[in-house]
Amino acid sequence: ETGVTQSPTHLIKTRGQQVTLRCSSQSGHNTVSWYQQALGQGPQFIFQYYREEENGRGNFPPRFSGLQFPNYSSELNVNALELDDSALYLCASSPGVGYTFGSGTRLTVV
Amino acid sequence: KQEVTQIPAALSVPEGENLVLNCSFTDSAIYNLQWFRQDPGKGLTSLLLIQSSQREQTSGRLNASLDKSSGRSTLYIAASQPGDSATYLCAVTMNRDDKIIFGKGTRLHILP
Repeated sequence: ETGVTQSPTHLIKTRGQQVTLRCSSQSGHNTVSWYQQALGQGPQFIFQYYREEENGRGNFPPRFSGLQFPNYSSELNVNALELDDSALYLCASSPGVGYTFGSGTRLTVV
Repeated sequence: KQEVTQIPAALSVPEGENLVLNCSFTDSAIYNLQWFRQDPGKGLTSLLLIQSSQREQTSGRLNASLDKSSGRSTLYIAASQPGDSATYLCAVTMNRDDKIIFGKGTRLHILP
């Protein structure tokens, strides 16, 4: 049973809208990362937070933003949704060594 | 720039066979390498993690090896079962707490 919980599990949005995805990590997991996985591809790194500060970012535009909270929860926000943003979004957290992944949020943009 | 490649992209084998999945990476200065399993539409389950100083890790019917100098890893699955059908992802990190760089995965189908 994973200690990382993501919500919602599925989501349908219209192009141009904004979306917030949520992740709840285990206590003590100070590092949280977000990944985008398109169909048939490996996950791609979006960004990473450590103790509420962003400390790494992949090749994603600024309309992808995030927050990490003191209670080990985090958010991924995407503005001005595009059709290509349709993907499985994965959250992963770590206490320092090794990552635990959540089950993901399937986002469909129509 | 680190790139991770997995061959083959898809594999079908009869139940009971032993099989090997391959992974290669372009920059040998990795911190660790991890094998994940992903069921359709689901998240990732970590199978085995090999630190850069290690040569292999074993868990049940699974054995992962690492040859850092040649930039290769293999995942060996013994006595395959239909429940092993899934996508297997190889991934590396370059430093502690660093992002994970994934391959595209190998889709494995075990035929009953």
